[in-house]
Amino acid sequence: GEDVEQSLFLSVREGDSSVINCTYTDSSSTYLYWYKQEPGAGLQLLTYIFSNMDMKQDQRLTVLLNKKDKHLSLRIADTQTGDSAIYFCAEKLEDDKIIFGKGTRLHILP
Amino acid sequence: DAGVIQSPRHEVTEMGQEVTLRCKPISGHNSLFWYRQTMMRGLELLIYFNNNVPIDDSGMPEDRFSAKMPNASFSTLKIQPSEPRDSAVYFCASSLRGGSGANVLTFGAGSRLTVL
Repeated sequence: GEDVEQSLFLSVREGDSSVINCTYTDSSSTYLYWYKQEPGAGLQLLTYIFSNMDMKQDQRLTVLLNKKDKHLSLRIADTQTGDSAIYFCAEKLEDDKIIFGKGTRLHILP
Repeated sequence: DAGVIQSPRHEVTEMGQEVTLRCKPISGHNSLFWYRQTMMRGLELLIYFNNNVPIDDSGMPEDRFSAKMPNASFSTLKIQPSEPRDSAVYFCASSLRGGSGANVLTFGAGSRLTVL
């Protein structure tokens, strides 16, 4: 079946790197996404990666995709207080359905 | 563009009442998704439309839930009768779907529903 799994919480010290992990089950996924949700708001796209790529970098964000293990990660370099939010992993299936994980709440320690 | 517009932002109602949530997608977008967010279940896909046609409603929890998209600029999600377990934040999202593209979703701010 279709499922996206993420750990629910992550605490990181300000200035360190944050790594948020995600696993998915459907091998037909064509795109994988990372969205960010701040309190009281909807989700906003951070970045996405096509399934035939294994890495994408965008400023402080690095996405790694291991298609064999169905594992996706998001690395945030030099984590800042403004990065505190819930981060959602999502996959686009062949029928255009987009399903999300439960989200990882990132907490920044001073 | 003002983005995806959802109304109401907050709704408090009593069990048994009918609830209608509304969504105006981004002009020109041809796909629309309804999601429900709760602490326990995360973000669940309820239904999605392509070109105003419902494609997959397998996530709609029960017959009490129904969704319509009468035209490209408006969609509703109706719950009748509502129950306390329907309390959640309901998100609408739209995208421009084309070929094998990324289909990036733009989310509305959500409608927070509380059923007493």
